[in-house]
Amino acid sequence: DVKVTQSSRYLVKRTGEKVFLECVQDMDHENMFWYRQDPGLGLRLIYFSYDVKMKEKGDIPEGYSVSREKKERFSLILESASTNQTSMYLCASSPPIWGLGEQFFGPGTRLTVL
Amino acid sequence: AQSVAQPEDQVNVAEGNPLTVKCTYSVSGNPYLFWYVQYPNRGLQFLLKYITGDNLVKGSYGFEAEFNKSQTSFHLKKPSALVSDSALYFCAVRDGRNTDKLIFGTGTRLQVFP
Repeated sequence: DVKVTQSSRYLVKRTGEKVFLECVQDMDHENMFWYRQDPGLGLRLIYFSYDVKMKEKGDIPEGYSVSREKKERFSLILESASTNQTSMYLCASSPPIWGLGEQFFGPGTRLTVL
Repeated sequence: AQSVAQPEDQVNVAEGNPLTVKCTYSVSGNPYLFWYVQYPNRGLQFLLKYITGDNLVKGSYGFEAEFNKSQTSFHLKKPSALVSDSALYFCAVRDGRNTDKLIFGTGTRLQVFP
């Protein structure tokens, strides 16, 4: 069974802290994605990685960075957490077939920044 | 720019009745369209997709979707709703050509009442 796992289901951090969200997939997919989900706004793409060490900004990259040192792992970094980054964060992966295939999602991390 | 719209924040339906969750799209070129479902406290799960071919697409859990090019719509349907279908539903479209990125709608909450 294919799997995308995220390091934490719930996370509480303080303003100004550096936060790491980890995502691991076991499907050998080249593509990995980080989304943010907010009520009424749907899913918004933060960053996209199409290969190891390769990344592309999404629609809302400000305040975030990413790291992809290994194919199976994609990390989202909040350099200095702020309260407006309180949200649900979803990781996904997909094969590189020009959008023909679906994305596989992890269970999400609900981050609260106090 | 590519976009999708889900005009209804919530859809209520009685168990056993047919259900429709609406989605309209705006793309340049041929649309690649997807439906995903999110059950409470879970990540998104793929339901179905339209790439080309038959306008009626069948997917998981008895769902189907009808692609209508003239109305630029891709509505999700099910002949007989179940209480267990209650969830958040997202429509998505491929973000341009030669990409694996998706643009998601804002989501529609489906509530099926016994």
